[in-house]
Amino acid sequence: QSALTQPRSVSGSPGQSVTISCTGTSSDVGAYNFVSWYQHHPGKAPKIIIYDVTRRPSGVPDRFSGSKSGNTASLTISGLQAEDEADYYCCSPAGSYTNVVFGGGTKLTVL
Amino acid sequence: QVQLVQSGAEVKKPGASVKVSCKASGYTFTRYGFSWVRQAPGQGLEWMGWISALNGDINYPQKVQGRVTMTTDTSTSTVYMELRSLRSDDTAVYYCARGESRWELDPWGQGTLVTVSS
Repeated sequence: QSALTQPRSVSGSPGQSVTISCTGTSSDVGAYNFVSWYQHHPGKAPKIIIYDVTRRPSGVPDRFSGSKSGNTASLTISGLQAEDEADYYCCSPAGSYTNVVFGGGTKLTVL
Repeated sequence: QVQLVQSGAEVKKPGASVKVSCKASGYTFTRYGFSWVRQAPGQGLEWMGWISALNGDINYPQKVQGRVTMTTDTSTSTVYMELRSLRSDDTAVYYCARGESRWELDPWGQGTLVTVSS
């Protein structure tokens, strides 16, 4: 199973918005409404910020939002803050729910 | 609060095996499952497999099938991941993560660095 495709890096200034794309296939992202997104600060444990494409766990600011169209999911972070600088990974089930595929990760830099 | 605490770093020689533990606390262990995920140096996240503490369901991706075994010990609320026939490209930080599903993972353990080197 190939990794989902994400841009290697994105950047934005504080207060701006950025969108990170996650492109898969009709066998993973396109097949299920279960895309999740993880925020990973190096040296720390990853943290879930979006699940089921659009849902936010409690405690995650509403600056984080998710969407999906066809085989591509997206994470939008609005009102960028310095603490948002991290690596972001998308994740999707694949293969009749028995497999899981991650994106290659996107490094967000807050300028 | 829900917490996953993993065992410490390991250094292994090629061909050896490693067993990483992940002790859960703060919730009813048998209500969830666990995915294991690894991150090699400079690389992204890679899913290593799933074990359900709820119903015993287990599955592994083809890439590590035959080399990995995941088990649970409900008496100690601990999940284990054993990886055999280690190679240098198995060097990575290994994470356990609690999940209602294989892909909706919260929280994650602190990670265990496994270094494979001769």
